[in-house]
Amino acid sequence: AQSVAQPEDQVNVAEGNPLTVKCTYSVSGNPYLFWYVQYPNRGLQFLLKYITGDNLVKGSYGFEAEFNKSQTSFHLKKPSALVSDSALYFCAVRDRGPRDSSASKIIFGSGTRLSIRP
Amino acid sequence: NAGVMQNPRHLVRRRGQEARLRCSPMKGHSHVYWYRQLPEEGLKFMVYLQKENIIDESGMPKERFSAEFPKEGPSILRIQQVVRGDSAAYFCASSQGSGRSLRETQYFGPGTRLLVL
Repeated sequence: AQSVAQPEDQVNVAEGNPLTVKCTYSVSGNPYLFWYVQYPNRGLQFLLKYITGDNLVKGSYGFEAEFNKSQTSFHLKKPSALVSDSALYFCAVRDRGPRDSSASKIIFGSGTRLSIRP
Repeated sequence: NAGVMQNPRHLVRRRGQEARLRCSPMKGHSHVYWYRQLPEEGLKFMVYLQKENIIDESGMPKERFSAEFPKEGPSILRIQQVVRGDSAAYFCASSQGSGRSLRETQYFGPGTRLLVL
């Protein structure tokens, strides 16, 4: 079964410093990996996804993620954190549905709360 | 282009009542997914529907929960005889195309926060 793990419940970073939010995955077949962000009392916003190609994926709001096959990781990164980046971040993997030709659910990690201090 | 719409945004029910949550997918999307988020937890998949069809309901509780996506109108997640443990945020997502591609992005609505008293 497909799964992702986010080993850190909370990450604290000073504004202006680089940030990393960790994610590791376990999949059978090719991984289709996503990052979403959730602001307080809001829905999830799509940040970026890895399908194939370059291991460094660029997304919204200056975020990027590095796909590392040997380490089965897909860490989210940003060179310079902003206070407004404070939110809950979810790593996710797409799972194949009950029929091989049908794509269905997303499997989410447990989330990492990112706190950026001024 | 309006995003995924969900209503109501907040819903309060007493134990034993019914809750109906509505989701209108993005324009041009015919695939709808429902997820539940318990407090301080990640999202858990519940059900995947296409128009008039349930494709994958492996995450749905066996009793009291049902979902539909009729030919016309929004998708409905229905919870009968609610209990306190049903209190959660329920998110709907939609995607376009044939649904066969794992590359497709799911776009999420703002969620409905259900509180059962």
